[in-house]
Amino acid sequence: SQQGEEDPQALSIQEGENATMNCSYKTSINNLQWYRQNSGRGLVHLILIRSNEREKHSGRLRVTLDTSKKSSSLLITASRAADTASYFCATDIPTGFQKLVFGTGTRLLVSP
Amino acid sequence: DAGVTQSPTHLIKTRGQQVTLRCSPKSGHDTVSWYQQALGQGPQFIFQYYEEEERQRGNFPDRFSGHQFPNYSSELNVNALLLGDSALYLCASSDGNNEQFFGPGTRLTVL
Repeated sequence: SQQGEEDPQALSIQEGENATMNCSYKTSINNLQWYRQNSGRGLVHLILIRSNEREKHSGRLRVTLDTSKKSSSLLITASRAADTASYFCATDIPTGFQKLVFGTGTRLLVSP
Repeated sequence: DAGVTQSPTHLIKTRGQQVTLRCSPKSGHDTVSWYQQALGQGPQFIFQYYEEEERQRGNFPDRFSGHQFPNYSSELNVNALLLGDSALYLCASSDGNNEQFFGPGTRLTVL
């Protein structure tokens, strides 16, 4: 079963706009990771945020984590057509071994 | 520095057959995990290998088995293929503590 749920399921914006995707999860975590997937191929790691962190930045990406609400958000600023992809959050749950539990993904379409 | 590699890229099999997928981890990584991703879904954890042992398994039947070699590369074997096994199979490697890096995947089609 899926641990996380991304919201929205699909998002369509224009180039230059910001895109915000949300992820909710159910259990305690070690960390939360965001991935991008183009056209059903491999996953590209974007950013990892640990359970004791509240915000991280990487280039045009900003990730927040609220462990009290069991939620995270990914903000992509000044989006580009090349950002068109599916975005997944994955939680590393404290099982003693590193195991990622993925959400259902958000499909982002950025139009020129 | 090569990332995670997987072979083959695509594979077509018929029901009842057996398949072997291969994965080479990123340099310096000793932990390999396998995931199955059905169309339109997020990846689902199959199992993880460390020091040539399966140390954690997801909710998959025994038809799914694997192996890790001394050089940390890994194989995923699926026996008695079913139509529902059609999916993208992803391999990920890590050093056990941080990010998991994924390969490009193997697209398996079962007819």
